[in-house]
Amino acid sequence: GENVEQHPSTLSVQEGDSAVIKCTYSDSASNYFPWYKQELGKGPQLIIDIRSNVGEKKDQRIAVTLNKTAKHFSLHITETQPEDSAVYFCAASDPNTGGFKTIFGAGTRLFVKA
Amino acid sequence: AAGVIQSPRHLIKEKRETATLKCYPIPRHDTVYWYQQGPGQDPQFLISFYEKMQSDKGSIPDRFSAQQFSDYHSELNMSSLELGDSALYFCASSLVGSSNYGYTFGSGTRLTVV
Repeated sequence: GENVEQHPSTLSVQEGDSAVIKCTYSDSASNYFPWYKQELGKGPQLIIDIRSNVGEKKDQRIAVTLNKTAKHFSLHITETQPEDSAVYFCAASDPNTGGFKTIFGAGTRLFVKA
Repeated sequence: AAGVIQSPRHLIKEKRETATLKCYPIPRHDTVYWYQQGPGQDPQFLISFYEKMQSDKGSIPDRFSAQQFSDYHSELNMSSLELGDSALYFCASSLVGSSNYGYTFGSGTRLTVV
């Protein structure tokens, strides 16, 4: 089955700096890669996603890149703000399978220092 | 906009008791997923339902069962509770076949087994 590895587990940056979180996946059939942000006491919230037919996607201060050959994808947050502090999960799934399940990485706790 | 509704938000049970968690997906979403998240852990996939049929099964203990009803709400039934079952239980929903494969998560049910 799919296995998703995520690094780093903790990331501390100064406000205004960039943050990068990296993930690798094992199942070459996976073709959908969402990123979720989870704040304390809340459920994960989808912030951006990318499909395997796209190499990069950007939405304001966040961007995701995908290298399907190497089976890794990354989240980039620019001009970080204190409200970006949260746990970020990468995930991988194959929407074409009967289960449609998504496998999550272990999470990255991002601290943005004011 | 309507979100995924989970109830109850908090639940305290004793060992060997039974618990039932409920999930109401976003209207018109046809797939429901259950995840278990331990402290500091990533969400672990338990089970999913597509159009009221079980579509995939993850690391769900035999003591747990779930179903999706005709109105698409889902219930996770947990019997013979153990201390290790204490966790956040998230439900998520999605619409298979839509252009957006991302999940929408509920706020979770925090189960504490004492």
